[in-house]
Amino acid sequence: SYELTQPPSVSVSPGQTARITCSGDALPKKYAYWYQQKSGQAPVLVIYEDSKRPSGIPERFSGSSSGTMATLTISGAQVEDEADYYCYSTDSSGTHRIFGGGTKLTVL
Amino acid sequence: QVQLQESGPGLVEPSGTLSLTCAVSGGSVTSSRWWSWVRQPPGKGLEWIGEIHHTGNTNYNPSLKSRVTMSVDKSNNQISLKLNSLTAADTAVYYCVALVPSQSASYYRFDPWGQGTLVTVSS
Repeated sequence: SYELTQPPSVSVSPGQTARITCSGDALPKKYAYWYQQKSGQAPVLVIYEDSKRPSGIPERFSGSSSGTMATLTISGAQVEDEADYYCYSTDSSGTHRIFGGGTKLTVL
Repeated sequence: QVQLQESGPGLVEPSGTLSLTCAVSGGSVTSSRWWSWVRQPPGKGLEWIGEIHHTGNTNYNPSLKSRVTMSVDKSNNQISLKLNSLTAADTAVYYCVALVPSQSASYYRFDPWGQGTLVTVSS
């Protein structure tokens, strides 16, 4: 079955740039989406269609995709950005939806 | 802005059936959106369960397809989820999520999410 692979954890100091990757064989043809989930809360969309930012999401959040890898970049990460981040996409048929395993971002 | 609120029993017995309802406010279940369920076992990642359109079309995760039924109640503007033959592995927070189409309607994003409801499978 199709999988999206994320690193389990990423750690940066406040003000540094955090990059979280998501790899999958269908990503050259399918968009990646990114969700932020803070402890005890529901996920929130932060990037859609590889690089678009929903209204209300800070400009420090950006996304890109190249080949089989999508990347979420947080430029000048802040303590309040500590959360689990999940990528989402579909398989090559577009029928089945898959989440990556999640990446825990630590900012300290 | 659409808002979603899940409700249902928090404790279900093994081999039983989980039944959850999602009330939709701020929008109609008959809109262009699909309506989905996503679950998250304690301390683990997100798993897509499936989705339904108001026309009755469904799309289920192959790993759960044999145990899942989704439906739409247009009169009450809500959707429902049933999952049978429960085991402890089905213990999770269950989220009701709207699937919003892109302008081309070829791609969908999960947005927004309900607050989620914890269902524990235990005797």
